[in-house]
Amino acid sequence: GDSVTQMEGPVTLSEEAFLTINCTYTATGYPSLFWYVQYPGEGLQLLLKATKADDKGSNKGFEATYRKETTSFHLEKGSVQVSDSAVYFCALSKVAGGTSYGKLTFGQGTILTVHP
Amino acid sequence: DTEVTQTPKHLVMGMTNKKSLKCEQHMGHRAMYWYKQKAKKPPELMFVYSYEKLSINESVPSRFSPECPNSSLLNLHLHALQPEDSALYLCASSQPSRSETQYFGPGTRLLVL
Repeated sequence: GDSVTQMEGPVTLSEEAFLTINCTYTATGYPSLFWYVQYPGEGLQLLLKATKADDKGSNKGFEATYRKETTSFHLEKGSVQVSDSAVYFCALSKVAGGTSYGKLTFGQGTILTVHP
Repeated sequence: DTEVTQTPKHLVMGMTNKKSLKCEQHMGHRAMYWYKQKAKKPPELMFVYSYEKLSINESVPSRFSPECPNSSLLNLHLHALQPEDSALYLCASSQPSRSETQYFGPGTRLLVL
């Protein structure tokens, strides 16, 4: 079946450091790829997405590129802030033929803590 | 606007209580989802409604009973829960033409005593 593997955390960085969170996937067909972020005590927020190979998703300074050749969707940010401290989930989604809903497969999540 | 709302934000209930969680969206989305999330884990899918019909039940115990009264509203009725059911319950929705993208609500944090 489909699966998503994220780098294990927790990740601890100083403010203004460069961030990379690795994500690789295994899937048949043509999944869409996502990064969701969950701030403490909150629900999941869609951070960015890419729906086909070589697409780059970007939002709030975060970027990720859909690499089909390496089955990867690594999350990067050039300069993190304390407010970026959260749990980050990589996920893939596919829509089964003949249906109008998607099924998300999540990675295990990576806890990011940014210190001043 | 990509807002999904959930009420209540917090809920404490005894094992003999009956309570309901509510989820609402006004984005014209026609698929709605219930997830359960334990601490430090990814969400686990429970139910999917598509065009107000139950499409997926991921072998959820019958003490959880979903209901979709209309295209904007999704309920989760709770009865005779166990302490291990304590978790964050998340609702999500997606639009028909972009059903791979799900938008999540803030969740209801449930504690079963």
